[in-house]
Amino acid sequence: GNSVTQMEGPVTLSEEAFLTINCTYTATGYPSLFWYVQYPGEGLQLLLKATKADDKGSNKGFEATYRKETTSFHLEKGSVQVSDSAVYFCALSDSYNQFYFGTGTSLTVIP
Amino acid sequence: GAGVSQTPSNKVTEKGKYVELRCDPISGHTALYWYRQSLGQGPEFLIYFQGTGAADDSGLPNDRFFAVRPEGSVSTLKIQRTERGDSAVYLCASSSTDTGFTGELFFGEGSRLTVL
Repeated sequence: GNSVTQMEGPVTLSEEAFLTINCTYTATGYPSLFWYVQYPGEGLQLLLKATKADDKGSNKGFEATYRKETTSFHLEKGSVQVSDSAVYFCALSDSYNQFYFGTGTSLTVIP
Repeated sequence: GAGVSQTPSNKVTEKGKYVELRCDPISGHTALYWYRQSLGQGPEFLIYFQGTGAADDSGLPNDRFFAVRPEGSVSTLKIQRTERGDSAVYLCASSSTDTGFTGELFFGEGSRLTVL
């Protein structure tokens, strides 16, 4: 079956630090991979995505590369800001029907 | 508003009662999803609508849960004989499938259900 495992939090970083949030997946087919983010008081929103192996998704300084050989989609950012404080969810989908989400990683960036 | 709207934002009810949660998707979005998020967990799929029909209801946990979307827009999630284990945040999302599958779901802020 399909599933996503992501790094547990919470994660606390100082501003301008380097961020990595690990995500690995199990899938029976060839899924698309996503990172969704939930800012305080808001709904989940798409941060970035990759639809096939070796694709790199990027947005707002965040990047993640679809690695089929390691079944991973780790989220990275070179220099985090206070405004990046949020909960980050890794997800996969192989159809319109279902998305499989990880448990979420809470990030707090302190000035 | 332009986003997905869910009401109520908070609902407290007693065990055994009936509850309805409403979702108003983004105008024109044909696909609508319900998810359930328990504390410390990621969203868990419940049901997916394409237009008026439930294309996939495999995530509904049991027959106490039911959802409708009679006109292909607003959807209502209905929970009968609520149990304490139903306490969670119920999330609604919509997406447009007109241009193919983009993977972008637009989520509402959720309805927090507490069953006492």
